[in-house]
Amino acid sequence: AQSVTQLGSHVSVSEGALVLLRCNYSSSVPPYLFWYVQYPNQGLQLLLKYTTGATLVKGINGFEAEFKKSETSFHLTKPSAHMSDAAEYFCAVSETNTGFQKLVFGTGTRLLVSP
Amino acid sequence: KAGVTQTPRYLIKTRGQQVTLSCSPISGHRSVSWYQQTPGQGLQFLFEYFSETQRNKGNFPGRFSGRQFSNSRSEMNVSTLELGDSALYLCASSLAASGGLRETQYFGPGTRLLVL
Repeated sequence: AQSVTQLGSHVSVSEGALVLLRCNYSSSVPPYLFWYVQYPNQGLQLLLKYTTGATLVKGINGFEAEFKKSETSFHLTKPSAHMSDAAEYFCAVSETNTGFQKLVFGTGTRLLVSP
Repeated sequence: KAGVTQTPRYLIKTRGQQVTLSCSPISGHRSVSWYQQTPGQGLQFLFEYFSETQRNKGNFPGRFSGRQFSNSRSEMNVSTLELGDSALYLCASSLAASGGLRETQYFGPGTRLLVL
């Protein structure tokens, strides 16, 4: 079964600093990977996804992620943090065992942005 | 296009009661999935429906059930509520034309259930 590990339950950065949120996956087949963001009292919003093709994926709000098969990683980055980026971020893999989509989520990383 | 809507947004029940949550997917989406989010267990998959059929199910007891109607709207039901059922229940929809492993799931705002 596929699984996802997010390193760091909390990450703190200053406004304008680089954001790096780590995600490692476990999958015996080529994975389909997603990053979602959750703002307080809201559902999940897709930031970006990797299915096939280019390994550097650009998403919304200036975020991007790079799929590295050799490292089984899909880390999320943003060059310059903004106060509005403060939220919880979830990495997910689409489990393929049944042939039908089921997202398996990591435990989430809360991003704190200070002025 | 309107997003995924969930009703009610907040709910308070007592142990032993049952509850029904509703989800309306994005127009044209035929797959609806349900997830439970708790501080302790995180986000966990409950089940997925497509064309009124349950195609996939997570590891939850039989007290958790769902259904999908011909207009793709979905409901989930939890019977004999326990304190541990307190959670945010999220519904997501996608096109999922054929399995949909690459599909984006679009999430609703969730229903926050508190069991006393």
